[in-house]
Amino acid sequence: NAGVTQTPKFRILKIGQSMTLQCTQDMNHNYMYWYRQDPGMGLKLIYYSVGAGITDKGEVPNGYNVSRSTTEDFPLRLELAAPSQTSVYFCASSPTGSAGELFFGEGSRLTVL
Amino acid sequence: AQSVAQPEDQVNVAEGNPLTVKCTYSVSGNPYLFWYVQYPNRGLQFLLKYITGDNLVKGSYGFEAEFNKSQTSFHLKKPSALVSDSALYFCAVRLSSGAGSYQLTFGKGTKLSVIP
Repeated sequence: NAGVTQTPKFRILKIGQSMTLQCTQDMNHNYMYWYRQDPGMGLKLIYYSVGAGITDKGEVPNGYNVSRSTTEDFPLRLELAAPSQTSVYFCASSPTGSAGELFFGEGSRLTVL
Repeated sequence: AQSVAQPEDQVNVAEGNPLTVKCTYSVSGNPYLFWYVQYPNRGLQFLLKYITGDNLVKGSYGFEAEFNKSQTSFHLKKPSALVSDSALYFCAVRLSSGAGSYQLTFGKGTKLSVIP
């Protein structure tokens, strides 16, 4: 059982480039999330989705876009990368309901130079 | 808006001693509370949660946490620390219902170091 799988694990971008972080889960969870983790800052929610075709902004959505065409996949797109987007990105999923715990991927470390 | 405070950036404890990692929260409604652990270069792993009922909840690896509504706290505890418990610990909160129930808000994390 793979759980939540993120690719790539590491990536270096130049300022102004674009890229997509991939996330897929095989647990049939309706809820999916993208967080970024910066040292000493905890995790900040970027976008979330409560089901296929439904997405909404979190706390720090600027500079990012998401789509949710299937239950399994929730890619995060960075347009015009900036140094402020240097971070570790985590995708997570949870079963329907606010009582459900989140299952996290292993993270994608992005550096923008 | 909901928020979580973890007042200690780092906690050091000797192996075999009890440990406590502190967490306080703020929400406008009934909270669901969670603790997660993160080992170096890994994703977060769920430890335990408080939904309703008994204020003392037990979780993975011998950890437990006590929900205190009057003090809006949810401290993580373990009777006897192991060196392998050394990691980064996150407290998190979400509303039990309403629009905010979709979003899990995390604290900044507390680094636990267990000294042999």
